[in-house]
Amino acid sequence: QKEVEQDPGPLSVPEGAIVSLNCTYSNSAFQYFMWYRQYSRKGPELLMYTYSSGNKEDGRFTAQVDKSSKYISLFIRDSQPSDSATYLCAMRSGGSYIPTFGRGTSLIVHP
Amino acid sequence: DGGITQSPKYLFRKEGQNVTLSCEQNLNHDAMYWYRQDPGQGLRLIYYSQIVNDFQKGDIAEGYSVSREKKESFPLTVTSAQKNPTAFYLCASRVGGEQFFGPGTRLTVL
Repeated sequence: QKEVEQDPGPLSVPEGAIVSLNCTYSNSAFQYFMWYRQYSRKGPELLMYTYSSGNKEDGRFTAQVDKSSKYISLFIRDSQPSDSATYLCAMRSGGSYIPTFGRGTSLIVHP
Repeated sequence: DGGITQSPKYLFRKEGQNVTLSCEQNLNHDAMYWYRQDPGQGLRLIYYSQIVNDFQKGDIAEGYSVSREKKESFPLTVTSAQKNPTAFYLCASRVGGEQFFGPGTRLTVL
């Protein structure tokens, strides 16, 4: 079993839908959680960076961490075709600056 | 403009040749990283450097080499010993706990 599991998709939704992207993990030492957006043939762009459990909101994006379930989510409200990309989750422990990445979920938002 | 640049964007190599990928940053970050990305896989760490003149192997360092002679630069050499080098290579730098990526280099071995 990989340390970080992420469904590769693709996830296809209509424009305006609420999107939920998820990752599960097995290492209870993970304390810092990140979401990256990666457009095709581009480098990943950091979207959200959170510490420990709870929610963090930034515009249309909300990151949620449930450490008791070892489960993290990224919600996208009012999804747009420009949100079509691969979303990577990443996480690390407090003692390391090297994150472990999920495989990424491909999201397609169609008009 | 502050950021991370990688060159070239696309690179073709014949089997048996060494090739060097460039990574430069003007963000004044101490730590820099090289990752490899293959279709359907997460990012895999090749090498990282926390400070000038120091670097450590990542999970898949075999067949690769790096140097860190300047804070701004962290070039990666893909040697002929790397058996399956065709991939998308990403350079990153870090400030605090946040890692930022360059645009990537697509390497294809012919």
